[in-house]
Amino acid sequence: DAGVIQSPRHEVTEMGQEVTLRCKPISGHDYLFWYRQTMMRGLELLIYFNNNVPIDDSGMPEDRFSAKMPNASFSTLKIQPSEPRDSAVYFCASSYGSGQASSYEQYFGPGTRLTVT
Amino acid sequence: AQKVTQAQTEISVVEKEDVTLDCVYETRDTTYYLFWYKQPPSGELVFLIRRNSFDEQNEISGRYSWNFQKSTSSFNFTITASQVVDSAVYFCALSEAWGTYKYIFGTGTRLKVLA
Repeated sequence: DAGVIQSPRHEVTEMGQEVTLRCKPISGHDYLFWYRQTMMRGLELLIYFNNNVPIDDSGMPEDRFSAKMPNASFSTLKIQPSEPRDSAVYFCASSYGSGQASSYEQYFGPGTRLTVT
Repeated sequence: AQKVTQAQTEISVVEKEDVTLDCVYETRDTTYYLFWYKQPPSGELVFLIRRNSFDEQNEISGRYSWNFQKSTSSFNFTITASQVVDSAVYFCALSEAWGTYKYIFGTGTRLKVLA
């Protein structure tokens, strides 16, 4: 089976531009998580969805960040406008929760390395 | 509050040595889950193991073994006869059984296995 798929793998953009990161979770998984990893802050959970519904977005740093999950097989994380401090690796992860998501391991995608100049 | 501490920032060993990565956690929950992930130089995060708080049995998988001790709130990871391919950053994580479904990650331990 295919794992979590993310695109693009690398993104270089200029400050002020809109950036859209994409994720396809593992088929059958009902939880989807977006993380950001930086040297300074480590791994941070930004938002997670259950059955395509956003459950907790308290980790989203500010209004410039938004995430959607229009269906069970696709999610996007958008940054508009982007800033240099948004440079990081963004991971998408999915898991099968069956009502108790934290008991099940999350499977991570390869990540998108975002550089904002 | 939940917290995961990986006090070892970086460890270097010579190939074939055994190495133990420490993980100490804090939680007020009686039911929780612990995880280890590996992040090799290529960058992906690879799931290694999940442990439930009500199961203190240690686990061995090939050269990997995990020691879970609730009395000391620790979930340590040992690699026996380390290999260069084991070089990576290893993360320990904690999650509640109920509620937020969030992982609390430690800061990671960078393991360098030298040939």
